[in-house]
Amino acid sequence: DTGVSQNPRHKITKRGQNVTFRCDPISEHNRLYWYRQTLGQGPEFLTYFQNEAQLEKSRLLSDRFSAERPKGSFSTLEIQRTEQGDSAMYLCASSLSRNEKLFFGSGTQLSVL
Amino acid sequence: QQQVKQSPQSLIVQKGGISIINCAYENTAFDYFPWYQQFPGKGPALLIAIRPDVSEKKEGRFTISFNKSAKQFSLHIMDSQPGDSATYFCAASRAGGFKTIFGAGTRLFVKA
Repeated sequence: DTGVSQNPRHKITKRGQNVTFRCDPISEHNRLYWYRQTLGQGPEFLTYFQNEAQLEKSRLLSDRFSAERPKGSFSTLEIQRTEQGDSAMYLCASSLSRNEKLFFGSGTQLSVL
Repeated sequence: QQQVKQSPQSLIVQKGGISIINCAYENTAFDYFPWYQQFPGKGPALLIAIRPDVSEKKEGRFTISFNKSAKQFSLHIMDSQPGDSATYFCAASRAGGFKTIFGAGTRLFVKA
């Protein structure tokens, strides 16, 4: 098992552009989460999937953000019309249904210029 | 709305010393309290976790002390080593829940 994989590791974009990140969770994990982490802060919950169903979305997530997990395996997080405030580390995590232990990927560092 | 408050923000400890990081929570529905360790450029990794039915849990050099009535818990790192230098996050969640709430983190530096 190679753990949770996230791509790309770094993304630099101009304000107003769209970006998409990918997360490949641990294969047997049903749950997949997206978190956002800014410098000097802990991860903040964005959204959660149980298999392919998106069951919860944080109020922090504006309409410019959308996430999918089409076949209950990998997930994508898209940010449309990026803003400088979107600059952060975007972390993906996965877990087994009945286990609260989160396995995090190394994240995608987004810089919006 | 900060549901998990962590202190101190940063900590410097001599090699071989004890590192202590404290957390307080507000929501009494929380019943799973993990600590995560994060190195630069990496995602957080689970270090140790406790449930409120016990007051202490020890794994190697790492111990969680839990005070349910005070809604507080702490991480103790015994015999701290330079390799322990990292950012530590306390967190809380509900059984079967999906949302883990993290503290703001403590940057630990262990001097050789």
